[in-house]
Amino acid sequence: EAQVTQNPRYLITVTGKKLTVTCSQNMNHEYMSWYRQDPGLGLRQIYYSMNVEVTDKGDVPEGYKVSRKEKRNFPLILESPSPNQTSLYFCASSLKWTYEQYFGPGTRLTVT
Amino acid sequence: TQLLEQSPQFLSIQEGENLTVYCNSSSVFSSLQWYRQEPGEGPVLLVTVVTGGEVKKLKRLTFQFGDARKDSSLHITAAQPGDTGLYLCAGGGGYNTDKLIFGTGTRLQVFP
Repeated sequence: EAQVTQNPRYLITVTGKKLTVTCSQNMNHEYMSWYRQDPGLGLRQIYYSMNVEVTDKGDVPEGYKVSRKEKRNFPLILESPSPNQTSLYFCASSLKWTYEQYFGPGTRLTVT
Repeated sequence: TQLLEQSPQFLSIQEGENLTVYCNSSSVFSSLQWYRQEPGEGPVLLVTVVTGGEVKKLKRLTFQFGDARKDSSLHITAAQPGDTGLYLCAGGGGYNTDKLIFGTGTRLQVFP
């Protein structure tokens, strides 16, 4: 089954404690991205990757890091999480950037 | 910065009613996608429109791309409780960008 998986689905952590949210896709897509979704603000892109070892900033990259060492995986790293990073995070992949985005199930992060 | 504004932001209706959701921008897009997101899940693509004036139908849902490719609408006929969810438009291939821009979303609640 074609899918995008994210882990964990839910995470509660404290300010400053480094965390990683994993994302994996099995569709051999070149394009992957991370979004955060906040009430009233819609989906905002954090980082994206057009291929292995090629990543770039989206609209709200501050406080986040990503890496793309393999085509299927695109982890999101929060080196020092802060409460304003409390949000619902989605990973997505697609064949090309403006083609259909396949989204993961989301990770709800709470930073206290 | 390109923006996609959706209206209304919230919509609560009774089963059987008709409704229209609008997605507007001052920018031209080469394609416009509509997604539906249900609670606890990631957005799922409903349709992509690529030609100005294009109309696509998906059962009781009718999607239209504006002639100037700056706006789009989603019309639902005889809404059902299963239509409940967050509807997102996303514009691709806009001016000076090769990425997808998501709208602010319309949250629809259909009561039986």
